[in-house]
Amino acid sequence: DAGVIQSPRHEVTEMGQEVTLRCKPISGHNSLFWYRQTMMRGLELLIYFNNNVPIDDSGMPEDRFSAKMPNASFSTLKIQPSEPRDSAVYFCASSLDWNTEAFFGQGTRLTVV
Amino acid sequence: DAKTTQPTSMDCAEGRAANLPCNHSTISGNEYVYWYRQIHSQGPQYIIHGLKNNETNEMASLIITEDRKSSTLILPHATLRDTAVYYCIVRVGNQGGKLIFGQGTELSVKP
Repeated sequence: DAGVIQSPRHEVTEMGQEVTLRCKPISGHNSLFWYRQTMMRGLELLIYFNNNVPIDDSGMPEDRFSAKMPNASFSTLKIQPSEPRDSAVYFCASSLDWNTEAFFGQGTRLTVV
Repeated sequence: DAKTTQPTSMDCAEGRAANLPCNHSTISGNEYVYWYRQIHSQGPQYIIHGLKNNETNEMASLIITEDRKSSTLILPHATLRDTAVYYCIVRVGNQGGKLIFGQGTELSVKP
């Protein structure tokens, strides 16, 4: 398996634009996580899914952020409208089950100017 | 989820064992101890996890105290490539248990 695949690797966008980050989890994994990493706040859990169902979205910062998992092999994190303070590295991770290790993608570096 | 406390930074000489401590005094009976590391500009990488017994794999050993209030990650022969931020996390064992990262320990392995 190629691991968790995120796209794009880098995204530069203007303030106010919509941004969509994509994630393909490892095949067969039942849990999927979206994280954001900044220098100031470190790694923050935004939302996680189990069996395609959102379990906890308490980390989503604002209504501008939304995440979907339409099927077991794809998830999106959307920011609309984007703001400069959303600039960060966004990581997606998946795990087989509740007590197994999570595998992280290489991240998407988002810059909002 | 239980909170963890780790030293901010540590140094280790190349070839020596690196011992990274973690306190998790409020851990519950169903919470696992996980260790991840993040090498610069990469996604976090799983190292090892355990519930109450000591664990060993090809990367490291995990020593958990009998009362489970603290643990130590041991890298037996540290190399320069082990320079990274190491995160100790307690993860509740229910459906889709989430990982909450703290600030971690920045380990610098020096020649």
